[in-house]
Amino acid sequence: AQSVSQHNHHVILSEAASLELGCNYSYGGTVNLFWYVQYPGQHLQLLLKYFSGDPLVKGIKGFEAEFIKSKFSFNLRKPSVQWSDTAEYFCAVTIYGGSQGNLIFGKGTKLSVKP
Amino acid sequence: EAQVTQNPRYLITVTGKKLTVTCSQNMNHEYMSWYRQDPGLGLRQIYYSMNVEVTDKGDVPEGYKVSRKEKRNFPLILESPSPNQTSLYFCASSSSGRASNEQFFGPGTRLTVL
Repeated sequence: AQSVSQHNHHVILSEAASLELGCNYSYGGTVNLFWYVQYPGQHLQLLLKYFSGDPLVKGIKGFEAEFIKSKFSFNLRKPSVQWSDTAEYFCAVTIYGGSQGNLIFGKGTKLSVKP
Repeated sequence: EAQVTQNPRYLITVTGKKLTVTCSQNMNHEYMSWYRQDPGLGLRQIYYSMNVEVTDKGDVPEGYKVSRKEKRNFPLILESPSPNQTSLYFCASSSSGRASNEQFFGPGTRLTVL
């Protein structure tokens, strides 16, 4: 079965540090990739998505992610985090064929940014 | 304002007492879905609907029912809730079931079954 792995459960950074959150998926066919963010007590919001073209995608709030097909990876990056980035981050994938549109989520990575 | 709404936002109930969590979207979306979120497990899909009167099971459908009689509404029904259904539930919608479409999430319903 298809799955999404997020390598870190909890990441703690100081403000201005650089961030990279790992995400790998297991599926050999065509995929769309997403990063969602969930701020404390809130619903999920889309940070960015990739479905074709330039493998480096830019999202909201200074986030970006790079799709590396050979590594089945879609890591999220931000050069300088802020306290307001404290949230839980979810990587997700949809696949072509089967139950299209159904998001398969990773288990999430909690990011805590110390002021 | 385009949004997905859920009611109630918080619910405490007892084992076996039937309940319904409503979900409504005002974006004329065809695709709607329910997820549950549990610590350390991320979000898992319960049921989804590609359009009116078209529903199908997700990854964890046991103990749940859904219906899609109107395009805007997609209620989640727990006929006989059990404590293992204590969770945070999210409804989501997108314009279609295409794999590239963004899904918009509701605010969540926190359910506790005693």
